[in-house]
Amino acid sequence: IQLTQSPSLLSASVGDRVTLSCKGSQNINNYLAWYQQKLGEAPKLLIYNTNSLQTGIPSRFSGSGSGTDYTLTISSLQPEDVATYFCYQYNNGLTFGSGTKLEIK
Amino acid sequence: QVQLQQCGAELVKPGTPVKMSCKVSGYTFTSYVISWIKQTTGQGLEWIGYIYPESGSTGYNEKFKGKATLTVDKSSNTAFMQLSSLAAGDSAVYYCARETTEALFDYWGQGVMVTVSS
Repeated sequence: IQLTQSPSLLSASVGDRVTLSCKGSQNINNYLAWYQQKLGEAPKLLIYNTNSLQTGIPSRFSGSGSGTDYTLTISSLQPEDVATYFCYQYNNGLTFGSGTKLEIK
Repeated sequence: QVQLQQCGAELVKPGTPVKMSCKVSGYTFTSYVISWIKQTTGQGLEWIGYIYPESGSTGYNEKFKGKATLTVDKSSNTAFMQLSSLAAGDSAVYYCARETTEALFDYWGQGVMVTVSS
């Protein structure tokens, strides 16, 4: 399954509601996770099974979607959220999207 | 706390192999699969394969069969990945990660940057 993320680059202001998209080439059956990678660090698991928040992750992060289309939402963007965000599917094989780089305007 | 420790960087010549390690602490090594993941600027993140430390059983992404070999040393709680016959396209950051039963990577090493250059 191939994953297409959009946009590849997103610039937003602190406090903005931000939405990142991930589209699969086939049905993912909700086996979709999101990872956050800050510069120079390893990826960090944020959300799994489409909308389950990993322990310790702030509640401003949420996920939704079904079928082939999934979304990561940050309800109020914080400066520490600057990172690249990858979606990841584990329904059929294990594949990552190409990432959305999130910047502060 | 759960930690996966990897050494920082490797500079290797084309055609030679490299073997990297991932030392685990903070949980029972044999209870979780260890996966390896490649990251490049061009190809993004790619899952290479997994090893189950308890049995040594492995599974590989078709793309990396023949390139990567995964092993473990249970006595030292360490997983290893050997990459054979390195070429420029093998230059990347390689991560080890703990994989849950749901195929999620919940803890990661800090990564090893491999540079293939003569």
